[in-house]
Amino acid sequence: GESVGLHLPTLSVQEGDNSIINCAYSNSASDYFIWYKQESGKGPQFIIDIRSNMDKRQGQRVTVLLNKTVKHLSLQIAATQPGDSAVYFCAENNQGGSEKLVFGKGTKLTVNP
Amino acid sequence: KAGVTQTPRYLIKTRGQQVTLSCSPISGHRSVSWYQQTPGQGLQFLFEYFSETQRNKGNFPGRFSGRQFSNSRSEMNVSTLELGDSALYLCASSWTFLGDYTGELFFGEGSRLTVL
Repeated sequence: GESVGLHLPTLSVQEGDNSIINCAYSNSASDYFIWYKQESGKGPQFIIDIRSNMDKRQGQRVTVLLNKTVKHLSLQIAATQPGDSAVYFCAENNQGGSEKLVFGKGTKLTVNP
Repeated sequence: KAGVTQTPRYLIKTRGQQVTLSCSPISGHRSVSWYQQTPGQGLQFLFEYFSETQRNKGNFPGRFSGRQFSNSRSEMNVSTLELGDSALYLCASSWTFLGDYTGELFFGEGSRLTVL
């Protein structure tokens, strides 16, 4: 069945450290993956995406890694800041021509000053 | 540029009632999707619309319905409300189909429905 999961529901880091948030997906047919950030009281906000023909993609302070062999996705946040505190979701799309996303359960990141 | 606007932001209904939620996408966006978010089930896809046509529907009962208007604004309706329908309902818009891999869905802040 469809499922996109995360390894840890919570993650606590010190300000300035690097954060790594992991996600395992089960549908090998998925070809597009996205990370979203959701702050309290707000809707999810796009962070970065990656297509299945890529292994790594970098943005501003964020890097997404995709390992198709083990169906694993990770989000790395460099020099984590208090403003990064939020719930992070991975999502996959496996239906070309559709915007249907399957979301993971989310990891709550807390950045301690 | 205004973001995705959802109304109402909060509402309380009783079991058996029906509710209509509204979503105004970002200007120029033609695709609208709806998601239900609950603590137990997380974010679940409801349906998506493109140019007034429903292109995909999630695994929800027929009590959940939606539509899109010619100006891309969308509404969703839930009839015969149940306690389990209490959730945050999120609308997202994009310029075109995710299937075209333009990438980014822009989410609104949601409509929080409480069913008593």
